Amino acid sequence: EAQVTQNPRYLITVTGKKLTVTCSQNMNHEYMSWYRQDPGLGLRQIYYSMNVEVTDKGDVPEGYKVSRKEKRNFPLILESPSPNQTSLYFCASSPKGGKRDTEAFFGQGTRLTVV
Amino acid sequence: AQSVTQLGSHVSVSEGALVLLRCNYSSSVPPYLFWYVQYPNQGLQLLLKYTTGATLVKGINGFEAEFKKSETSFHLTKPSAHMSDAAEYFCAVSTYNQGGKLIFGQGTELSVKP
Repeated sequence: EAQVTQNPRYLITVTGKKLTVTCSQNMNHEYMSWYRQDPGLGLRQIYYSMNVEVTDKGDVPEGYKVSRKEKRNFPLILESPSPNQTSLYFCASSPKGGKRDTEAFFGQGTRLTVV
Repeated sequence: AQSVTQLGSHVSVSEGALVLLRCNYSSSVPPYLFWYVQYPNQGLQLLLKYTTGATLVKGINGFEAEFKKSETSFHLTKPSAHMSDAAEYFCAVSTYNQGGKLIFGQGTELSVKP
């Protein structure tokens, strides 16, 4: 089954403790991205990757890191989480290098709480 | 710059009634527009999209949307609501750079009353 898989689905952590949210897709998509969803703000892009070893900042990159060593994986790293990073996170992938007319396929989300 | 505005954060309809979710966009280039649906505890799923061509676009689950350039709108409709339609709906526009990044509206939560 074609899918984007995120882990974990739920995570509660303490301020300053490094964490990684994994994302993997099995559709051989070039383009992957991370979004955060906050009430009243919709989804906002954190980082994106056009292909292996190519990553760039989205609209809200502060406090986050990503890497793209393999085509299928795109982990999101929070080096020192803070309470304002409490949010619902989505990983997404798209074929065709992320052209404008292609749909994005989303993972099921990771609900992160930083206390 | 491109942006999307969804009018109404919550919409409530009765089962069998018309569903109308409003979306207006701003774009300096011809927009590519999407509607996504998010069911509880799930990721986003594409309902429909407009790129070029026919302005009335049909999607899954009986939904459709009409692109109106003169009104900069892309409202989502369904003639008869079903209980299973209760979800959050997002309108989005894809950018002409950054690999087609999606810019989302604030979302509209649809409730369906029996």
